[in-house]
Amino acid sequence: AQRVTQPEKLLSVFKGAPVELKCNYSYSGSPELFWYVQYSRQRLQLLLRHISRESIKGFTADLNKGETSFHLKKPFAQEEDSAMYYCALSGHGNEKLTFGTGTRLTIIP
Amino acid sequence: DAGITQSPRHKVTETGTPVTLRCHQTENHRYMYWYRQDPGHGLRLIHYSYGVKDTDKGEVSDGYSVSRSKTEDFLLTLESATSSQTSVYFCAITPDRSYEQYFGPGTRLTVT
Repeated sequence: AQRVTQPEKLLSVFKGAPVELKCNYSYSGSPELFWYVQYSRQRLQLLLRHISRESIKGFTADLNKGETSFHLKKPFAQEEDSAMYYCALSGHGNEKLTFGTGTRLTIIP
Repeated sequence: DAGITQSPRHKVTETGTPVTLRCHQTENHRYMYWYRQDPGHGLRLIHYSYGVKDTDKGEVSDGYSVSRSKTEDFLLTLESATSSQTSVYFCAITPDRSYEQYFGPGTRLTVT
């Protein structure tokens, strides 16, 4: 069975400080990992996926297979980063996504 | 927004009444999904579809049924709504040969 764990429900960070949102997963195979973001009053949207290795809005995430983690990081938080963040996993060749419970990030001005 | 709309956007209904939520897409993608979003639970898959009349259960399918008679529409029905089904419901699609899911704007359902 596949499982995604986001240990922090809430995270508050001062503007300009580094941000790290934690995500751990359980999957017996090679998963696809994603981070989705939901800004206030907007629909969920893809922030990044591990296979593309892109940096979106200054965020990066590295897949660590040894630690089964996919933590989301940003070196300098901005107020517009305040949102709900979901880590998600898809098994290879499986279009279904399993989401974590989400972390609400608040950036303190 | 990948051409995904949901209706209604808000609904208040009484316990025991039937409710149908509609998801509509304009781009003929095969895969469509219904999720519910609840605090402390994140998004949980209710049902999904991989084509017309091809549907399957997700993680939390009890109390819900779906139908897909046309590619563009995926309907979620609560046969007899209960207060535990108060939630925000999201529809999503996956374009062919893509892992990315695109989400609709959501429907806020309150069962009193």
